[in-house]
Amino acid sequence: QLQLQESGPGLVKPSETLSLTCTLSGGSITSGRYYWGWIRQPPGRGLEWIGSPHNTGGTYYNSSLKSRITMSVDTAKNQFSLQLTSVTAADTAVYYCVRHFLDFDYPRYVDCWGQGTLVTVSS
Amino acid sequence: DIVMTQSPDSLAVSLGERATINCKSSQSVLFSPNNKNYVAWYQQKSGQPPKLLIYWASTRESGVPDRFSGSGSGTEFTLTISSLQPEDVAVYYCQQFYGPPVTFGGGTKVEIK
Repeated sequence: QLQLQESGPGLVKPSETLSLTCTLSGGSITSGRYYWGWIRQPPGRGLEWIGSPHNTGGTYYNSSLKSRITMSVDTAKNQFSLQLTSVTAADTAVYYCVRHFLDFDYPRYVDCWGQGTLVTVSS
Repeated sequence: DIVMTQSPDSLAVSLGERATINCKSSQSVLFSPNNKNYVAWYQQKSGQPPKLLIYWASTRESGVPDRFSGSGSGTEFTLTISSLQPEDVAVYYCQQFYGPPVTFGGGTKVEIK
């Protein structure tokens, strides 16, 4: 059974870059049937999709964050990653790595979630 | 972007009674080529990641109890818990995946009355 695990610093200073990695176990990132992705949830609030990379296909980004996001897939390590630049307190959230069902070449519903990692932006 | 509006924000239901959550999309999420509604429902318990309950508006995910059901088409959707159990206390989110971007409703908190 697929498991996703986020890793990265829990505290990032304002204006710096948030970097997270998601490691898969029990499945391969090269499965063409899925998109991978990042979703975040500010404390006490709702869910916001950040973006979805694919190992061979296109990468989709939330337009509101696109200028600050870089995503990549490392097939050798069975990992994918997120970098978010110029962070502010508004980027404080639990960050989830996820697997999206792929349909008509787009990321669709999420059928697997990591446990999430809280990233706090503070000096 | 498609906006998903959930109602109510919260509801309290007696054990064994029905709970109904509504979700309205700002445009139709019915995809004509396959006649499917691109809506999912998730359950999030305190301190846990969300869990997929329903996709294609009415298809129950494997292992989800049959007291959970989804319905609706076009722009209006409903999640129904037919007989509320203690373990159903959670926040429920609808999501449209007609996009990208995929977008979520604001959530509905379900409690025991």
